[in-house]
Amino acid sequence: GNSVTQMEGPVTLSEEAFLTINCTYTATGYPSLFWYVQYPGEGLQLLLKATKADDKGSNKGFEATYRKETTSFHLEKGSVQVSDSAVYFCALSDFTGGGNKLTFGTGTQLKVEL
Amino acid sequence: NAGVTQTPKFRILKIGQSMTLQCTQDMNHNYMYWYRQDPGMGLKLIYYSVGAGITDKGEVPNGYNVSRSTTEDFPLRLELAAPSQTSVYFCASRVGGQGNQPQHFGDGTRLSIL
Repeated sequence: GNSVTQMEGPVTLSEEAFLTINCTYTATGYPSLFWYVQYPGEGLQLLLKATKADDKGSNKGFEATYRKETTSFHLEKGSVQVSDSAVYFCALSDFTGGGNKLTFGTGTQLKVEL
Repeated sequence: NAGVTQTPKFRILKIGQSMTLQCTQDMNHNYMYWYRQDPGMGLKLIYYSVGAGITDKGEVPNGYNVSRSTTEDFPLRLELAAPSQTSVYFCASRVGGQGNQPQHFGDGTRLSIL
């Protein structure tokens, strides 16, 4: 079946540091890939997405490139801010069996300190 | 700009009690989903629906029931609450069609069963 593997957290960075959160996936066919962000006490919000190989999703300074050859979708940001502290989820959209279901990774908590 | 609305936000139940978690969306989305989020485990799909009158099981349906009588509403029912159902529950919705459309999440219901 489909699966998503993320690096474990928490990841603690100083403000303005470079961020990478690794995400790899296993899927049949050609899934769409997503990064969601969850701020404390809130639901998940879409951060960015990519729908085919070599697509780059970007939003709010975050980027991720759909790498089919390495089955990866790593999240990067050049300079993090305290306000980026949250839990980040990598997910893929499953076209099989109907319903376009999402398969999530376990989430990576990011803490950014001054 | 309501989006996906979940009620209640918090609830404490005793073992064996029943309750319904409410979810409504005002975006006219065909697809709706219920997830549970346990610490360090990501999100697991409980049930989903691709339209009014149609529901299907997800990854962890045991102990839950759903109905979808209207496009807007997708309630989740716990009949005999058990401690293992202590979790945070999220409802989500999306438009139909291609799998590259994102899901939109509510803010969650935090449920404790004692």
